[in-house]
Amino acid sequence: KAGVTQTPRYLIKTRGQQVTLSCSPISGHRSVSWYQQTPGQGLQFLFEYFSETQRNKGNFPGRFSGRQFSNSRSEMNVSTLELGDSALYLCASSLDRNGYSNTEAFFGQGTRLTVV
Amino acid sequence: GEDVEQSLFLSVREGDSSVINCTYTDSSSTYLYWYKQEPGAGLQLLTYIFSNMDMKQDQRLTVLLNKKDKHLSLRIADTQTGDSAIYFCAESIGSSNTGKLIFGQGTTLQVKP
Repeated sequence: KAGVTQTPRYLIKTRGQQVTLSCSPISGHRSVSWYQQTPGQGLQFLFEYFSETQRNKGNFPGRFSGRQFSNSRSEMNVSTLELGDSALYLCASSLDRNGYSNTEAFFGQGTRLTVV
Repeated sequence: GEDVEQSLFLSVREGDSSVINCTYTDSSSTYLYWYKQEPGAGLQLLTYIFSNMDMKQDQRLTVLLNKKDKHLSLRIADTQTGDSAIYFCAESIGSSNTGKLIFGQGTTLQVKP
């Protein structure tokens, strides 16, 4: 069974640009969450999607957005990039059979975003 | 509030046991997790424990949970050089147990041969 796939693995963007990152969850998993990992702030929750709806949101500015498609694949978008957005962005998928039970979250390898 | 604290560094000799500690603040946490991250990689789920359990054992890993003190520990028996990595403790937030995890800062485990 394939794991969580994130593309691209590495990305270099210029300040002010926007970027879209993609996450394909494990087949059959319905919940996708996004996290930002930086040396200074550690791992921080961005948002979670379930059945194409945002179910949870972290404390990030509106420049960070996401969506989920009917096949559970998810994208996150960051507009007007700042130097401080340089980070490893991790996606996690969970089975979530009945809409509220998430015992195991499996992570992808992440997308390393560098803003110059 | 939502906060998870871990010590930052632990060094052990190969063959010894390692114990990584974590404290959390949210009493409504339903599940608590341990993840491992190797350089350049994502997070690997090692194990998790339900909040009504005191202990869970999985091969070389033992998780102890003291819910009264909100203290979680991960014991790795017979630590190997391949266990060198960063270990993150995480708690799930909210009684509905949706996909939001709060992570600690991570404990770097160094295993000396």
